[in-house]
Formats: sequence, C-alpha cells, structure tokens
Amino acid sequence: SQQGEEDPQALSIQEGENATMNCSYKTSINNLQWYRQNSGRGLVHLILIRSNEREKHSGRLRVTLDTSKKSSSLLITASRAADTASYFCATDQRSWGKLQFGAGTQVVVTP
Amino acid sequence: DSGVTQTPKHLITATGQRVTLRCSPRSGDLSVYWYQQSLDQGLQFLIQYYNGEERAKGNILERFSAQQFPDLHSELNLSSLELGDSALYFCASSAGTGSYNEQFFGPGTRLTVL
Repeated sequence: SQQGEEDPQALSIQEGENATMNCSYKTSINNLQWYRQNSGRGLVHLILIRSNEREKHSGRLRVTLDTSKKSSSLLITASRAADTASYFCATDQRSWGKLQFGAGTQVVVTP
Repeated sequence: DSGVTQTPKHLITATGQRVTLRCSPRSGDLSVYWYQQSLDQGLQFLIQYYNGEERAKGNILERFSAQQFPDLHSELNLSSLELGDSALYFCASSAGTGSYNEQFFGPGTRLTVL
C-alpha cells in the first residue's frame, strides 16, 4: 500500500509557469522527500524536509510541510521543458530508510 | 549518473522461470535498497541491506530473495515468475542507514515475464 498520494495525477503547463503538486500521507513521519523520474529511468532525489521543518528551498524548488494536515507541496518556479518528468513524494515512518512512495504527479512542460 | 549500476537493463523470460538482478552500489555506500515499480502497484519498497545484513523488509514476496555480498554488491533473486512480476526493479544505495541518508537510484532493470 502507498503512504503518500500526490495531487494532481497529471499537470500540463507552459515554460516559465510555476508548477505546484501536493502530497498527502497517512501516518506520522520522520521526514518527507521528493524525487523526480524521467520517463521510466531511475529516480533522482530532489529535496528532503524533516518533520520539524515547515519550508525548504533548493534552487527553483520550494517544499512545504504541514504535519498537522499530513501534507506537503512541491513548487517548481519558472518551469523549463527539462522539468518534464514524474514527481514522487516519499515518506519515512521512523524506520531504516524504508521509503514509501506516492503514485506520482506527471508534469509536462511545453515550450 | 548516480554511480549505482544495475544489470541487466532488460530481461525477458517466461512464467515459472528464475532470474537474478544485480546491483553495484556507489563507491563507499553500505546500504542497498530494492524497489519494484509497476503500473498497478506503483513504487514499492522490497528490502534493504546494510553492510551485508538485512535491515528492513517491505512487500517482498516469498518467491523473491536478496543478499548483499562482502564486496557490497547485491543480488535480487526472483523465482517461479508470474506475469504480475513484470516491472521495473530499482536498486538504490546510501552511505548509511536511515532515511536522512540520501538514496541514489540505479537506472533499473526492466523485467518482462511472458
């Protein structure tokens, strides 16, 4: 079973626009991570936010975490065609790095 | 390139057969994780090894087994294959154990069971 659920399932935007996707999870967590996957290739780690953090930035990425609502959001600003990928949130329920992934949001950025 | 290598890239086999997937972690990483990605189940954690010892188990079927060798490479063995085992199998590695250690994913092995 999946811990996280991303919303929306798919997102289509134009270059330069911002993309926002959300992740909700069910149980308490140690941290939440976001990964990117390009068309059936390996996942790339984007950012990790700890359960005691509320917001984190990395380049054009901004992640928020609301543990009271059990939700997180990933914002990609000024999107580029190269951002076209699936984005997954993954949670760790205080275990040995056993990540539980959501179903992912498929983002398409058109020039 | 994450530094994690997986072989083979593609594997096509028949139901009932047994296959072995191989993973070499990044240099210096002691933890290896196996994940399965399929259309219906999404990305599922299978099993983790740390320095040769099993550390965590997920939704891994009894027909599947894994091990990590002294040189830290890992193998995932899938036996009595069924059509539903067709999926992408990813290996990831990290320096330590615990999810504050960033996991680096390999390119995956695509298994097709006919």
